[in-house]
Amino acid sequence: SAVISQKPSRDICQRGTSLTIQCQVDSQVTMMFWYRQQPGQSLTLIATANQGSEATYESGFVIDKFPISRPNLTFSTLTVSNMSPEDSSIYLCSVGDREAGELFFGEGSRLTVL
Amino acid sequence: GQNIDQPTEMTATEGAIVQINCTYQTSGFNGLFWYQQHAGEAPTFLSYNVLDGLEEKGRFSSFLSRSKGYSYLLLKELQMKDSASYLCAVTDSNYQLIWGAGTKLIIKP
Repeated sequence: SAVISQKPSRDICQRGTSLTIQCQVDSQVTMMFWYRQQPGQSLTLIATANQGSEATYESGFVIDKFPISRPNLTFSTLTVSNMSPEDSSIYLCSVGDREAGELFFGEGSRLTVL
Repeated sequence: GQNIDQPTEMTATEGAIVQINCTYQTSGFNGLFWYQQHAGEAPTFLSYNVLDGLEEKGRFSSFLSRSKGYSYLLLKELQMKDSASYLCAVTDSNYQLIWGAGTKLIIKP
């Protein structure tokens, strides 16, 4: 198992600003994932954070809007840039082996954009 | 396209049994997962099926039929703390994890 700490746990942001979410894992992991969960909906993968190289983004998500850093095997950040109310969501950091299937999630960061 | 269907909401009584169904249409199949998500919290892993049949883990069991593209999660001896959303997810041939929208389970005394 893995223990994942995310911060901030929640924030209220103004339109047009940017916010960086941090994800810290208690052990070294190869793959870290960033998900978004909009109210009442399931999880949508934003990107896979790769250590030492650029993140791999899913369709519909771009680096300019969601820049990701992965400086080492235990830490990653996701920035939500130039926020609009449509970005109001829960953002979840996750680690694990997707092939094995078991993912561990951070507590999530609930963003509200006014 | 890839699709996972599960009921939006179910209601059951404390102490009873409930079955949450999940059907999927994906490009290939490499496993099916069930996650539990309490309101305001992150999902937690419940079960994994890659072969046909029933996997039992305490009060929870998960069943898979690959030929039918079908799974269910069976919860026995329901407790109030089982009130949560239950997410079905499938990995396709590229190990892309496809998530269902979740089933909100309401337990009544």
